[in-house]
Amino acid sequence: DADVTQTPRNRITKTGKRIMLECSQTKGHDRMYWYRQDPGLGLRLIYYSFDVKDINKGEISDGYSVSRQAQAKFSLSLESAIPNQTALYFCATSDRTSGSLDEQFFGPGTRLTVL
Amino acid sequence: DQQVKQNSPSLSVQEGRISILNCDYTNSMFDYFLWYKKYPAEGPTFLISISSIKDKNEDGRFTVFLNKSAKHLSLHIVPSQPGDSAVYFCAASARYGGSQGNLIFGKGTKLSVKP
Repeated sequence: DADVTQTPRNRITKTGKRIMLECSQTKGHDRMYWYRQDPGLGLRLIYYSFDVKDINKGEISDGYSVSRQAQAKFSLSLESAIPNQTALYFCATSDRTSGSLDEQFFGPGTRLTVL
Repeated sequence: DQQVKQNSPSLSVQEGRISILNCDYTNSMFDYFLWYKKYPAEGPTFLISISSIKDKNEDGRFTVFLNKSAKHLSLHIVPSQPGDSAVYFCAASARYGGSQGNLIFGKGTKLSVKP
């Protein structure tokens, strides 16, 4: 079973719709992240959370919001989707207590298309 | 401005030869560097890392070299195998520089290993 799961894996929606992408992890990690990947632009950080009560904006947080419902769950919302939010979205986790502090473990991704 | 640069979008190598992927960075506060590998339809997976106190780290066929004075690192794969064909991302973090260990990713290099 995958340690970091994302649902849905694919989603097509229309401009103006509210969308939620969900991430769950069984690794017991305290830190969780949301990234988006666009062709030719690499991975860019949207939001990150170091524990349930600690949520931080990343490089490109405008147009997004997040919720850390539990240590194992971190969801990303697009309140009113727009076409330039079409991208591949990844959730990741890391463990503060690990010797490899910076190593992050990624989910399989959600491909979102906004028409 | 990009803090982590992978200037070669793609690289093609013959099976059995060496693959060299390059990465440059601009932030002198970066003290930990990682390489991730990504296959289509999967999330990135951690490959190898290096701390700024070292100039080389080796793991099987994979070696990462760090030149701090040039702010340059490279990933060597020897010998290259067709299964190594993937997109490789360079990432960097500044553990003590205020970014709380968050990763900054390059845009990636697509490696193709020809049989």
